[in-house]
Amino acid sequence: DGGITQSPKYLFRKEGQNVTLSCEQNLNHDAMYWYRQDPGQGLRLIYYSQIVNDFQKGDIAEGYSVSREKKESFPLTVTSAQKNPTAFYLCASSIMRSSGNTIYFGEGSWLTVV
Amino acid sequence: DQQVKQNSPSLSVQEGRISILNCDYTNSMFDYFLWYKKYPAEGPTFLISISSIKDKNEDGRFTVFLNKSAKHLSLHIVPSQPGDSAVYFCAASGISTSGTYKYIFGTGTRLKVLA
Repeated sequence: DGGITQSPKYLFRKEGQNVTLSCEQNLNHDAMYWYRQDPGQGLRLIYYSQIVNDFQKGDIAEGYSVSREKKESFPLTVTSAQKNPTAFYLCASSIMRSSGNTIYFGEGSWLTVV
Repeated sequence: DQQVKQNSPSLSVQEGRISILNCDYTNSMFDYFLWYKKYPAEGPTFLISISSIKDKNEDGRFTVFLNKSAKHLSLHIVPSQPGDSAVYFCAASGISTSGTYKYIFGTGTRLKVLA
């Protein structure tokens, strides 16, 4: 089945640690995204990538980093510089980042700082 | 600057009746609108979309209406079923005020369908 796979589903991070969330898609989509959801808020864009080896900051990129070495993969690293990392993280993809294209989401990853 | 707003955080509807979820946007450059359904601790699932060149799109029990002059869209679910109970997000896409192409999401409306 085609889809977007995120792992792990639940992750605990100690203060000062970097953690990486995995996102893989087999939809052959060019564009991939990372969003963050906090209680009572909409989805906020962290980073996006339109093609391999290229990515741009979203609205809340500080404390995060990404890479796009393969079309199928767009991992997100939450660094120790991210002051409030506890949240629900969503990876998404679309055929292209342009008019008329639907974004599809993975199942999400919960990150908790302990 | 909240460009997409869902002013009702929650809505309760009796099973079999119509559910109407509303969404307002401020940027006239948005040209594609989407609705998603989300259960707790899961990713949003795409429901239905509409292009700005249309004013209505229907898919089974779900219909989305777009009023461009009012910058308003709504999702109608008829008849509502208990399994429809979830959080519904609207999203608008197009050239944002910063000049880049964006998908902007509302804060969601929690729908509860009462059996």
